[in-house]
Amino acid sequence: QVQMVQSEGEVKRPGASVKVSCKASGYTFSTYGISWVRQAPGQGLEWVGWVSTSNGNTNYAQLVQGRVTMTTDTSTRTAYMELRSLRSDDTGVYYCVRDGGWFDPWGQGTLVTVSS
Amino acid sequence: EIVLTQSPGTLSLSPGERATLSCRASQTITSNYLAWYQQKPGQAPRLLIHSASRRATGIPDNFSGSGSGTDFTLTINRLEPEDFAVYYCQHYGSSPLTFGGGTKVEIK
Repeated sequence: QVQMVQSEGEVKRPGASVKVSCKASGYTFSTYGISWVRQAPGQGLEWVGWVSTSNGNTNYAQLVQGRVTMTTDTSTRTAYMELRSLRSDDTGVYYCVRDGGWFDPWGQGTLVTVSS
Repeated sequence: EIVLTQSPGTLSLSPGERATLSCRASQTITSNYLAWYQQKPGQAPRLLIHSASRRATGIPDNFSGSGSGTDFTLTINRLEPEDFAVYYCQHYGSSPLTFGGGTKVEIK
């Protein structure tokens, strides 16, 4: 079955960087993009950005523009999201999703905690 | 940016009742590129409906989506205990993709 398995949670200091991974299985990796969605504690869902698995093109949300880089490694079927200059309001669960327009399925989520 | 407004914020109903959730867009959503997701506490969201009215694989016909343009509705015909959760709508027709604020369906 189609699965997205993410890396474990991380605790970071303000100003640091974090890199979250997402390994896909069960489908042809290059035929769908990967989006990232975050959810602050007790809050709703926010789209963070998208990366093409076929040519590496990206599209980032304004809220992280200039601080985020999304990449993929087709040899390992893994997508990565690196977020730099972390702030306390970056704290939340980050989900990778297979993006075929709609989002399905979702990874299990990676909790990123930014705290001094 | 398309703003999605979901109402009500919270819906208090009993098992067996019908739930009607609304999602209103600030501008027309092209080609009915609207999806609905269900999220239970401590879990990742799950796709229920895409293209405004098409059920995702494995979703029971108890769930149905309707609407077009700027007004969309998710209906849960008879609430089962496992249906009490938070529901989000999302558009995916243009960038940036956005989500509604969510409707919590709770047990009355």
